[in-house]
Amino acid sequence: AQSVSQHNHHVILSEAASLELGCNYSYGGTVNLFWYVQYPGQHLQLLLKYFSGDPLVKGIKGFEAEFIKSKFSFNLRKPSVQWSDTAEYFCACYGNNRLAFGKGNQVVVIP
Amino acid sequence: DAGVIQSPRHEVTEMGQEVTLRCKPISGHDYLFWYRQTMMRGLELLIYFNNNVPIDDSGMPEDRFSAKMPNASFSTLKIQPSEPRDSAVYFCASRGAGYNEQFFGPGTRLTVL
Repeated sequence: AQSVSQHNHHVILSEAASLELGCNYSYGGTVNLFWYVQYPGQHLQLLLKYFSGDPLVKGIKGFEAEFIKSKFSFNLRKPSVQWSDTAEYFCACYGNNRLAFGKGNQVVVIP
Repeated sequence: DAGVIQSPRHEVTEMGQEVTLRCKPISGHDYLFWYRQTMMRGLELLIYFNNNVPIDDSGMPEDRFSAKMPNASFSTLKIQPSEPRDSAVYFCASRGAGYNEQFFGPGTRLTVL
């Protein structure tokens, strides 16, 4: 079964700082990878996804992620965060009809 | 489309009581998933259905938990009897056949006293 690991569970940074969240997966088959965001008190929403093609994926709200097959990684980035980016971010890997989630990164952006 | 609908949004109950959580998937979606989210364990898949049939229930914590999908537009997750450690947010998600993106409902925040 596939698994996903996310590091640095809690991240605190100031507005305009750059954000990078690491995600590593383990799965032997063709991977479909996702980043979901959960704003305080809300449900999970899709931020971006990778199925195939260009390994650099652009998502909503200025987020992007890069799939590096050799490193089994799918890191999320945003060059300049805003206070409204305060949320929990989940990386997920799809395989065997299951979506495996990482433990999440709690990101707090200080105005 | 209204998206995935869950009810109730909040449930507070006492230990030992039966709890039933409800989910209406997006119309036309063949897959339905139940997840539990806690601070300690993160987001865990409990069970999923394909065309109303339970495919994998290996994530169901114990026999107190049961899930049904009597038709394509409705599913329930039942806990009987409930315990304080069941307190969590329970999410339902659905997706269409051939698509890997899951759409999540707003969740039910369950508190067992």
